[in-house]
Amino acid sequence: DTGVSQDPRHKITKRGQNVTFRCDPISEHNRLYWYRQTLGQGPEFLTYFQNEAQLEKSRLLSDRFSAERPKGSFSTLEIQRTEQGDSAMYLCASRDSTDTQYFGPGTRLTVL
Amino acid sequence: LAKTTQPISMDSYEGQEVNITCSHNNIATNDYITWYQQFPSQGPRFIIQGYKTKVTNEVASLFIPADRKSSTLSLPRVSLSDTAVYYCLVGRTDSWGKLQFGAGTQVVVTP
Repeated sequence: DTGVSQDPRHKITKRGQNVTFRCDPISEHNRLYWYRQTLGQGPEFLTYFQNEAQLEKSRLLSDRFSAERPKGSFSTLEIQRTEQGDSAMYLCASRDSTDTQYFGPGTRLTVL
Repeated sequence: LAKTTQPISMDSYEGQEVNITCSHNNIATNDYITWYQQFPSQGPRFIIQGYKTKVTNEVASLFIPADRKSSTLSLPRVSLSDTAVYYCLVGRTDSWGKLQFGAGTQVVVTP
């Protein structure tokens, strides 16, 4: 399968703990996006990478959130000191030259 | 990014055609119209994209009138597996490419 992959698929953590998610985009895609989706809503944009450069961050991305894409390949999204309001599905997408974004299956985070 | 309005939900029977209309009154000249489909516990999946008139692929058709202030996604002869949320998005191709999703339309197909 050469699609976008995300790991883990599910994460349950206690409030105050740190969590890290990984996204592996489609190999030839140099643009990578993170979104967050809560129940009943569409995905909301969090941040965007072109190769290893983080070019845009949403105001939703508080100081507790950090994303990296060190070698322009996989990306990680870390949430520090998790809060119950962080519970959501975290989606990663990569983009080809035709502007189509391909989404991964997401990581569902539950903060207890 | 242009705001979109689409119905919250639609019901259909297997074998029928489903048409979902999306309003985007503030669409800009450079904006394309894109539709995504999302099944529960999965990421959204690209369905179709268009700029004007009609676009058709193996999954759906997209109808865009001349004023481009609305668009209609047409799903021919739906099956149970077409039950999903469908999102209409409007955006410029020269932007960073971030997508702005609304709440989408929940389509439920029953036997």
